[in-house]
Amino acid sequence: AQKVTQAQTEISVVEKEDVTLDCVYETRDTTYYLFWYKQPPSGELVFLIRRNSFDEQNEISGRYSWNFQKSTSSFNFTITASQVVDSAVYFCALSEADAGGTSYGKLTFGQGTILTVHP
Amino acid sequence: NAGVTQTPKFRILKIGQSMTLQCTQDMNHNYMYWYRQDPGMGLKLIYYSVGAGITDKGEVPNGYNVSRSTTEDFPLRLELAAPSQTSVYFCASSSRDPGGNQPQHFGDGTRLSIL
Repeated sequence: AQKVTQAQTEISVVEKEDVTLDCVYETRDTTYYLFWYKQPPSGELVFLIRRNSFDEQNEISGRYSWNFQKSTSSFNFTITASQVVDSAVYFCALSEADAGGTSYGKLTFGQGTILTVHP
Repeated sequence: NAGVTQTPKFRILKIGQSMTLQCTQDMNHNYMYWYRQDPGMGLKLIYYSVGAGITDKGEVPNGYNVSRSTTEDFPLRLELAAPSQTSVYFCASSSRDPGGNQPQHFGDGTRLSIL
């Protein structure tokens, strides 16, 4: 069975600090997809990134960057120069693919990391 | 540009009552999902559907039922509400892509309390 662990329950930083959110996953499949979602205080879920298991390239999008390492089964998320608006709950999620290349997109979520950025 | 719409946003039920949580999407997505989010926890999959007329159980289906008569709608029914079903419920949808799992689009959630 697949599993996603976000060991950091809560993180508190001061604005402009860099912060890394950890995500470790377990799966028996060789083909799978990893996601990060943001849940701001308003409660909706906002998609941030999708990564497939064959693409270990790190990705940068503005102040956000992601480090995918299959050797350690980790998909960590870094926010550079954090801002108050980054305060939210961040979820890492995993979706396995079957032999046909799809698993109907069913997601297994980590428990989330609450990030609080203080001014 | 509605995306995924859930109704109601809030509801309080008494133990033993039943209700239906509505979900509709206007993106012509094949796949739809229901998740629940308990306090301090991640989302857990209740049911999902890969197209009209096709549904299947997720991780925590007990106490719930679903149907999918159209591509757009995927209602979730609670038959005999129990306090353990107090949660925030999210509906989501995604497109079918043989090349890889597409990101899911989520509704704003329904906050349900059972007293």
